[in-house]
Amino acid sequence: DAGVTQSPTHLIKTRGQQVTLRCSPKSGHDTVSWYQQALGQGPQFIFQYYEEEERQRGNFPDRFSGHQFPNYSSELNVNALLLGDSALYLCASSSGPPGTEAFFGQGTRLTVV
Amino acid sequence: RKEVEQDPGPFNVPEGATVAFNCTYSNSASQSFFWYRQDCRKEPKLLMSVYSSGNEDGRFTAQLNRASQYISLLIRDSKLSDSATYLCAVNTNAGKSTFGDGTTLTVKP
Repeated sequence: DAGVTQSPTHLIKTRGQQVTLRCSPKSGHDTVSWYQQALGQGPQFIFQYYEEEERQRGNFPDRFSGHQFPNYSSELNVNALLLGDSALYLCASSSGPPGTEAFFGQGTRLTVV
Repeated sequence: RKEVEQDPGPFNVPEGATVAFNCTYSNSASQSFFWYRQDCRKEPKLLMSVYSSGNEDGRFTAQLNRASQYISLLIRDSKLSDSATYLCAVNTNAGKSTFGDGTTLTVKP
């Protein structure tokens, strides 16, 4: 049973570029959440997708957008990259009502230069 | 003030010690609570959910105090392998999840 998988694992982008990160949830999970984790901090909630719609959103600008596909996989898009967007981007999947326990993928480490 | 705050670290303890972490939250709409463990440069891994009645899993005990809005994690008989960062997570029923910044534990021989 595959857990949560994310791709790519590492990425280097130039300031101003756009990036797309991908996530496949754990088998049987229908909800995907995205987080940004800067060094020395906890994961910061970006948004959560359920039934192909954004169900909740954290305090992130509109440059951060996402999508969920019918097979429950998800993408995170970040436009106009800033140096401050350099972080570990984590995807977590869950099932059942909102607020249930979530399981994380290994993350994508994004470096903006 | 952050929505979820954890004890500042690091905690450096000898093997076999008992160590306790606290986490306070400010959103009274919070409904579910979790402890995660994160090793260096890895993803957080779910350690345990936290229930009002308290719950235990081997050497780990988690408790929730809704009135005072805090959760705790107790680790007994610490092992070298317990060295990690421990994150608390607080979820609302709407799906929003808020993490603390974590507390780093180092268990020394």
